Amino acid sequence: AQKVTQAQTEISVVEKEDVTLDCVYETRDTTYYLFWYKQPPSGELVFLIRRNSFDEQNEISGRYSWNFQKSTSSFNFTITASQVVDSAVYFCALSELVWSGNTGKLIFGQGTTLQVKP
Amino acid sequence: DTEVTQTPKHLVMGMTNKKSLKCEQHMGHRAMYWYKQKAKKPPELMFVYSYEKLSINESVPSRFSPECPNSSLLNLHLHALQPEDSALYLCASSPSPTGYEQYFGPGTRLTVT
Repeated sequence: AQKVTQAQTEISVVEKEDVTLDCVYETRDTTYYLFWYKQPPSGELVFLIRRNSFDEQNEISGRYSWNFQKSTSSFNFTITASQVVDSAVYFCALSELVWSGNTGKLIFGQGTTLQVKP
Repeated sequence: DTEVTQTPKHLVMGMTNKKSLKCEQHMGHRAMYWYKQKAKKPPELMFVYSYEKLSINESVPSRFSPECPNSSLLNLHLHALQPEDSALYLCASSPSPTGYEQYFGPGTRLTVT
């Protein structure tokens, strides 16, 4: 069965520190997709990145970077030089392909609450 | 423009009321979703519409009734809800049912009294 584990429930850092959010997944599919979402206190989930299972290239977008390693089934997210505005709940998710209905379902981890203090 | 809109933002209803939540997207997306999210928990999938047809119902109680009038609109009709149904209801859409990111609306915060 598909599963996503975010072992860190809460992380607190001081502004300008680097922080890494861990995500470990389980799937028997060879084709799958991984995502990160941010949920600030306002409540809306904001899409950050999608990665497919055949693309292990790491990605950097400004202060954000992602490290995808199939060998360890991990898709970790690093924020460099964190800012107060980065305070939010971050969800890692795995897309399950339901072939009978040709529909993908998102399997979410439990989320990591990041607090960045000034 | 990756905007999904939801109305209302907040809703308070009694257990005997009938109300509806509305979701709209104009991105040409062919899959739309309803999620329920309780505090400090991840979103839980309720329904998926794929090309305007209901493709997944995650064993949701019949007091929740989804409707997809057209490719841009998604409704969730509520009737005889229970206090434990109080939650944030999120709508999302994606270009295709498989392999694409979902874009979420701001949600409707529902309180059942």
